[in-house]
Formats: sequence, C-alpha cells, structure tokens
Amino acid sequence: GAVVSQHPSRVICKSGTSVKIECRSLDFQATTMFWYRQFPKQSLMLMATSNEGSKATYEQGVEKDKFLINHASLTLSTLTVTSAHPEDSSFYICSARKTSTEAFFGQGTRLTVV
Amino acid sequence: AQKVTQAQTEISVVEKEDVTLDCVYETRDTTYYLFWYKQPPSGELVFLIRRNSFDEQNEISGRYSWNFQKSTSSFNFTITASQVVDSAVYFCALSEQNNSGYSTLTFGKGTMLLVSP
Repeated sequence: GAVVSQHPSRVICKSGTSVKIECRSLDFQATTMFWYRQFPKQSLMLMATSNEGSKATYEQGVEKDKFLINHASLTLSTLTVTSAHPEDSSFYICSARKTSTEAFFGQGTRLTVV
Repeated sequence: AQKVTQAQTEISVVEKEDVTLDCVYETRDTTYYLFWYKQPPSGELVFLIRRNSFDEQNEISGRYSWNFQKSTSSFNFTITASQVVDSAVYFCALSEQNNSGYSTLTFGKGTMLLVSP
C-alpha cells in the first residue's frame, strides 16, 4: 500500500497558541487529502477536504478560520489549529487519495491543549 | 444521506475463538465502496479491505474473511482463530461521491474487539 506520513504524532500546546500538523504522501501524488477528527472512543468525522492549489472544502460545523488548511503541493497538506483551546484536544488523522476510491491514512496526531 | 451502523460496541473473546463484526450501511447510490479499517491502540488506521458495490464475492485473506450481501446491505467481517494482536477498534466505512464530486468516507462508530489469552 501507499505511505502517508503525518507529523507530529503527539503534541501538547498551551491554550491560545497555534499548532501545525503535516500530512505527506511519500510515494504518490495526492491532489486531494482529507482531514478527520476523532474524539475519544468515537468515530472519525470528516472535517475538510483539501485540494492542491485551491481552497479547502469544510464540512458543516467546522470553522474554517479555526482550522486552516493549506495544500501547497501534490504531496503535502497542513492543518493549523489556530488559537487552540482545550476543547480542540482530539486525535486528528489525515488521508491522501491515491485514486478515485483509494485513500491511505496517516498515523494520526494526538493534540492536547492545556 | 448515508449511514454506517456497527451495532456491536464492544466484543470480548478468548484467543482462538472466531468472531464476526457486523456492519450495515444505507445508501441510495448504486455505485459505492465499502471498507474495513483496523485501529490498534497506537491510533493509526490500518486498511484491511475495499469492496465495490458490484462485487459481491466473499473474500478471504488469511484469518480474515468478509461477507458482502447487498440484499441486506451488510458487509460483515470475520476473524477466525482470533489472536491477542487482533485486539483493536475496527471501523467499517462507506465511500460515495459527495456533492462536490469527491469520494469521502463515512465511518461507523467502530467495534472494539478485545481478545484475551
């Protein structure tokens, strides 16, 4: 299978600061990447669809100014959680689409805001 | 609207037992894809299988097997001779094209499988 690398795997930040999470497709080009959020013991919820060279498409209820997404190249998408608060603490997972139906997931980032 | 239901929240078995994880889905599309993923305690999602809506053949991969039945909108996953390393949360997911033309995944709530020695 294809390799998607997500960094960092864990991050602890202070309330009010911003955190950037990177998602890289290592051995294929991904015009589309997806960002999901998973609260403890819950399922993954799609936050946004990231398209290379254009603005991301956000799901209903997800604040675009809070969760900034940049897909600057065919192998990299970043998610920046701005002015993070404790309620933003969660597990964030990206996936990169290799074909129209195949998507591969990163390892996930556990964000803890204190 | 699409929906994926994994009615079993948690299953506990003893090693070497067989276990089946249920997945029922709802969709109005005729073309769609179904997936199973494994999420071990480390958190990463491990891809297990993808099945398109036109292929109802059951599949076996080692100790894993999948039973896809369109008539009942189910895509069940069976692990035979379970092992402790199978302990994880298993997610069933459905992929359809959204209004923007992108294929996104809708996940079930997951089934936590605990295999005891």
